[in-house]
Amino acid sequence: SQTIHQWPATLVQPVGSPLSLECTVEGTSNPNLYWYRQAAGRGLQLLFYSVGIGQISSEVPQNLSASRPQDRQFILSSKKLLLSDSGFYLCACAALSSYEQYFGPGTRLTVT
Amino acid sequence: TQLLEQSPQFLSIQEGENLTVYCNSSSVFSSLQWYRQEPGEGPVLLVTVVTGGEVKKLKRLTFQFGDARKDSSLHITAAQPGDTGLYLCARSGYALNFGKGTSLLVTP
Repeated sequence: SQTIHQWPATLVQPVGSPLSLECTVEGTSNPNLYWYRQAAGRGLQLLFYSVGIGQISSEVPQNLSASRPQDRQFILSSKKLLLSDSGFYLCACAALSSYEQYFGPGTRLTVT
Repeated sequence: TQLLEQSPQFLSIQEGENLTVYCNSSSVFSSLQWYRQEPGEGPVLLVTVVTGGEVKKLKRLTFQFGDARKDSSLHITAAQPGDTGLYLCARSGYALNFGKGTSLLVTP
């Protein structure tokens, strides 16, 4: 079964600073990878998804970007953080052709 | 984005009580998933339902998919404090479309 690692677990950053969150996956090859954001413990908002190396689809226009430099590595970045970027960021993976997603432990980001 | 409505938003009950939470949409699901999320952690997949009218059981949890595949319910029998968490339903697709969840608190 797959294991998803995310780091850091928590992060406090000032407005205008850059961001890099990393997600790595073990136990599966060629997964679909996803970044979600969750505000105030409620529903998840899909930010990006990737079906392969270098292939990124964005769901929400914003100052965030994503990259997939390796098959099982997914990175979420920002050049300048906004207060509204605060939230709980979750990485998820799904096997090719499967709808069942498995989530990492998340990163709690607070922008001050 | 097609909306998923979950109800109730919040539910606080005592240990031993039964409860049902709901997930509804105006359009048909190809399949639907239920997740449970504990504070500070990622959601954990509980079940996937695919066929209209399908019923699946996971210990004290019973999941039902509506005949028309537009709604689903989760029933918990004899709730325990360990059932506390946020219950999310999600429509399957190239990516999951989540409802806002039902936040359940079970007190001893």
